[in-house]
Amino acid sequence: EVQLLESGGNLVQPGGSLRLSCAASGFIFKNYAMNWVRQAPGKGLEWVAGISGSGDDTYYADSAKGRFTISRDNSKNTLYLQMNSLRVEDMALYYCAKAPDGGKNWNNWFDPWGQGTLVTVS
Amino acid sequence: EIVLTQSPATLSLSPGERATLSCRASQSVFNYLVWYQQKPGQAPRLLIYDASNRATGIPARFSGSGSGTDFTLTISSLEPEDFAVYYCQQRYSWPPITFGQGTRLEIK
Repeated sequence: EVQLLESGGNLVQPGGSLRLSCAASGFIFKNYAMNWVRQAPGKGLEWVAGISGSGDDTYYADSAKGRFTISRDNSKNTLYLQMNSLRVEDMALYYCAKAPDGGKNWNNWFDPWGQGTLVTVS
Repeated sequence: EIVLTQSPATLSLSPGERATLSCRASQSVFNYLVWYQQKPGQAPRLLIYDASNRATGIPARFSGSGSGTDFTLTISSLEPEDFAVYYCQQRYSWPPITFGQGTRLEIK
């Protein structure tokens, strides 16, 4: 069974940093692209960043560009999101989500999603 | 950036009724349109990918249709567990991947 378990969410002051992790199991991690999607309290879904299976290709939403870095350690089956210069508007539940394949131009639908980790900026 | 507009914002129906949810794109996304279901306190769940392909384990009462800019998610006969928020997502032109604002399907 595919499982994704996020961690690292916390309360942080504006301008601070956090690193989120997503531990994956139940599939060959290096073969699949991964993404971070966030959801502010009571709001809709916003894609944040994606990374290919190899880690060579990364893409970001404009809101994350220059402040967030997505990365992965395929030897540890773990996805990361380094978040710097955090703003109040970054406060959200952050989900990691698996793509159906992993090459440079991977297919971008998300299945499954983890349960999320909460980032509070205040 | 492609903007997705979902309608209605809220849909009130009874179990057993047919639900029709709409997603309109600001420009053509061909058939690269995805639907998710999200229940309170849960992560989203993939329902439909590429406009009309049901994901693994999704009941046949869920169907997707459309192409270009206009898409529909239909639930043929509502079960109590179907009352949730539904999101569409385009994957044709990215980054960024974009989502609609959601349709809340509530019990009448």
